[in-house]
Amino acid sequence: EDQVTQSPEALRLQEGESSSLNCSYTVSGLRGLFWYRQDPGKGPEFLFTLYSAGEEKEKERLKATLTKKESFLHITAPKPEDSATYLCAVYYTDKLIFGTGTRLQVFP
Amino acid sequence: DGGITQSPKYLFRKEGQNVTLSCEQNLNHDAMYWYRQDPGQGLRLIYYSQIVNDFQKGDIAEGYSVSREKKESFPLTVTSAQKNPTAFYLCASSIGADGNTIYFGEGSWLTVV
Repeated sequence: EDQVTQSPEALRLQEGESSSLNCSYTVSGLRGLFWYRQDPGKGPEFLFTLYSAGEEKEKERLKATLTKKESFLHITAPKPEDSATYLCAVYYTDKLIFGTGTRLQVFP
Repeated sequence: DGGITQSPKYLFRKEGQNVTLSCEQNLNHDAMYWYRQDPGQGLRLIYYSQIVNDFQKGDIAEGYSVSREKKESFPLTVTSAQKNPTAFYLCASSIGADGNTIYFGEGSWLTVV
């Protein structure tokens, strides 16, 4: 079955404590992987698109990487304002599947 | 500023009523989408439209209807046939439907009372 799984479901970090969020997928013919940030009660905000294994993208404290089976969102020295739910989505053939997200909390 | 505007932000519906959620975009995008978000579940596609006057059912279209009379607008009607309509509804758009990045509006909360 085609699936997108995000782990962990929730993550608590101290400010400055770097970590990684995982998005693993079991689909054939990946055509793109997307990362979004979602604040409570708001729509997802686009972060990155990755198209092929080995590709990396960076934005401020965030760095997204992609392999043939998974993607990582690395957060370096996070701040409390990085607290949010991070969603990944996988586009393959003509379908887009969203994961259930990782809820990140960063404490000062 | 370019973006996607959803209204209302909060909506209450009585049992048996139809309600319509508005979605307007000024990004000049051809494709528009409606998603539903429930706690603990990934976003699920309700309907999508790749071009004016054309739309397709998504994974959970039962109890919903849409129209696409203008490029900028893609309203969603939640009908009384939708058994569990209480949810967070997200409208989105993209340049085209073939794997292009999807951008979201701020969402609308619908509660059945």
